[in-house]
Amino acid sequence: EIVLTQFPDFQSVTPKEKVTITCRASQFIGSSLNWYQQKPDQSPKLLIKYASQSFSGVPSRFSGSGSGTDFTLTINGLEAEDAATYYCHQSSAFPLTFGGGTKVEIK
Amino acid sequence: QITLKESGPTLVKPTQTLTLTCTFSGFSLSTDRVAVGWMRQPPRKALEWLALIYWNDEEQYSSSLRSRLTVTKDTSRNQVVLTMTNMDPVDTATYYCARRSFSSTWYFDVWGRGTLVTVSS
Repeated sequence: EIVLTQFPDFQSVTPKEKVTITCRASQFIGSSLNWYQQKPDQSPKLLIKYASQSFSGVPSRFSGSGSGTDFTLTINGLEAEDAATYYCHQSSAFPLTFGGGTKVEIK
Repeated sequence: QITLKESGPTLVKPTQTLTLTCTFSGFSLSTDRVAVGWMRQPPRKALEWLALIYWNDEEQYSSSLRSRLTVTKDTSRNQVVLTMTNMDPVDTATYYCARRSFSSTWYFDVWGRGTLVTVSS
């Protein structure tokens, strides 16, 4: 099973700051890595697919990068509405797996 | 507009079998490169993938839960059904279904709102 390790677990950030979340895979997954945003009491929403492709309708301040085993989600200019937990998810091999999540709080 | 909605019991007793239905609209599960998957999320914990079924009837299951899970589809009714046997209190979670699509890679692009299932006697 491919284990996805996210860090940090929690981040408290001031609006307009840059946020960087890292996801490390336990083995090579190419670019088969997706990022989701989950706000409290809501279902997850797709932000980034295939490591760096923005999903339709997602604000441009969200971007993804990386390949192989190391991936990054960046929020350039955090807004109050971005308070959420962010999950990475690999679609390279079964069983499908998710990272443990990174909670982003607005200071 | 693509929507998915989970339905089923909110409370089950230990050892019982859980049956959840995902009813969807806006797409067909007979279209190439489409699947519907199930995930769950215990309170205040991370997401966990459970199972999925493809347009061509291929099924995939979580390794740790494979013996307890079955996923089926009814294309004419736009429904996917997940059954989980021998429920335990640790299975208490919000259960989600989501459409899985392909473009460069597979991804869950539209999710249902989820349904909270509590396992308790």
